[in-house]
Amino acid sequence: EAQVTQNPRYLITVTGKKLTVTCSQNMNHEYMSWYRQDPGLGLRQIYYSMNVEVTDKGDVPEGYKVSRKEKRNFPLILESPSPNQTSLYFCASSRGRGEKLFFGSGTQLSVL
Amino acid sequence: AQSVAQPEDQVNVAEGNPLTVKCTYSVSGNPYLFWYVQYPNRGLQFLLKYITGDNLVKGSYGFEAEFNKSQTSFHLKKPSALVSDSALYFCAVPHRGNNRLAFGKGNQVVVIP
Repeated sequence: EAQVTQNPRYLITVTGKKLTVTCSQNMNHEYMSWYRQDPGLGLRQIYYSMNVEVTDKGDVPEGYKVSRKEKRNFPLILESPSPNQTSLYFCASSRGRGEKLFFGSGTQLSVL
Repeated sequence: AQSVAQPEDQVNVAEGNPLTVKCTYSVSGNPYLFWYVQYPNRGLQFLLKYITGDNLVKGSYGFEAEFNKSQTSFHLKKPSALVSDSALYFCAVPHRGNNRLAFGKGNQVVVIP
């Protein structure tokens, strides 16, 4: 089954403790992206990747890192999480720009 | 920069009545435009997209959207709403010149039985 898999589904952590949210897709998609969803703000793009070793900033990249060492994986790294990063995060992939996105189920992150 | 706006926070509609979710865009040139839906506790799902050609685009679950260049709108429509259509709906547009994607703030649709 074609899917985007995110883990974990829920995560509670404390300020400053490094964490990684994993994302994997099985559709051989070139484009992958991370979004955060906050009430009243909709979805905002954090980072995206056009292919292996090619990443670029979205609208709200501060405080986040990504890597794309393999085509299928696109982890989101918070090196020193802060409470303002408490949010619902989504990973997504597509065949390319202008193509429809396939979304993961989301990761609800709480930073205390 | 390319952007979309969804002017209403929430749309309430009675089951069986027509449903419209509004989206206006600010895009240079010919836009790609998308609609996605988010059901409770789920990720977003693709509904439909406009690239070029016919201004009326048909999508999943009986939804359609009308591209109107003169009004810079791309409203989502369904002739007869179902309770199961209650969800959060997002309009989106790719940026021109880079590979970012801009989403609107979302529209909560509540279909009343």
